[in-house]
Amino acid sequence: TQLLKQSPQFLSIQEGENLTVYCNSSSVFSSLQWYRQEPGEGPVLLVTVVTGGEVKKLKRLTFQFGDARKDSSLHITAAQPGDTGLYLCAGANKPGEYGNKLVFGAGTILRVKS
Amino acid sequence: EAGVTQFPSHSVIEKGQTVTLRCDPISGHDNLYWYRRVMGKEIKFLLHFVKESKQDESGMPNNRFLAERTGGTYSTLKVQPAELEDSGVYFCASSRVAGVGYGYTFGSGTRLTVV
Repeated sequence: TQLLKQSPQFLSIQEGENLTVYCNSSSVFSSLQWYRQEPGEGPVLLVTVVTGGEVKKLKRLTFQFGDARKDSSLHITAAQPGDTGLYLCAGANKPGEYGNKLVFGAGTILRVKS
Repeated sequence: EAGVTQFPSHSVIEKGQTVTLRCDPISGHDNLYWYRRVMGKEIKFLLHFVKESKQDESGMPNNRFLAERTGGTYSTLKVQPAELEDSGVYFCASSRVAGVGYGYTFGSGTRLTVV
């Protein structure tokens, strides 16, 4: 069974601060996706990283996939109140042993105070 | 394009009753997935359709759950009879392509409460 451990579970910071969310596994994934979810809505895809060591930037968000494709991080620079939400990492595999499905971490609840 | 639509958005039923959840994927998306999140746990995979065929149903908890996708369009997930532990949020997602590097579009979910 593949598992993804996400940390921290909760993060409450002031506007303008930087933060990093981590997603770790003992298993290798073919790709890693990051989603953001707001109350009453479904997860919304932010980015997909596929190559070990890959770094992707989305405005103030920087996503990294570990060299061994077992871990990933999300770094937010100068957080704003609009960044508040639940951030989820999800691992995906090539069809085969694990099928074509996502394995989710438990999520990080981020609150950015103004 | 219209997103993934799920209804009802909320459902409260008594233990032992039957509930049917519906998902309308994005038009043209052959791949449809059901996931659920029970209280305090991670979102977990239930099953995957490719058009009208069940590609992977390894996440279905037991035979009280029945999913169908008639004609490869919308899908239904029926729980019969419902138990207390079935409470949670059921998400549907769809994608045009199933494969590494392709993300999914999720619906807003159906919050099911079994009392």
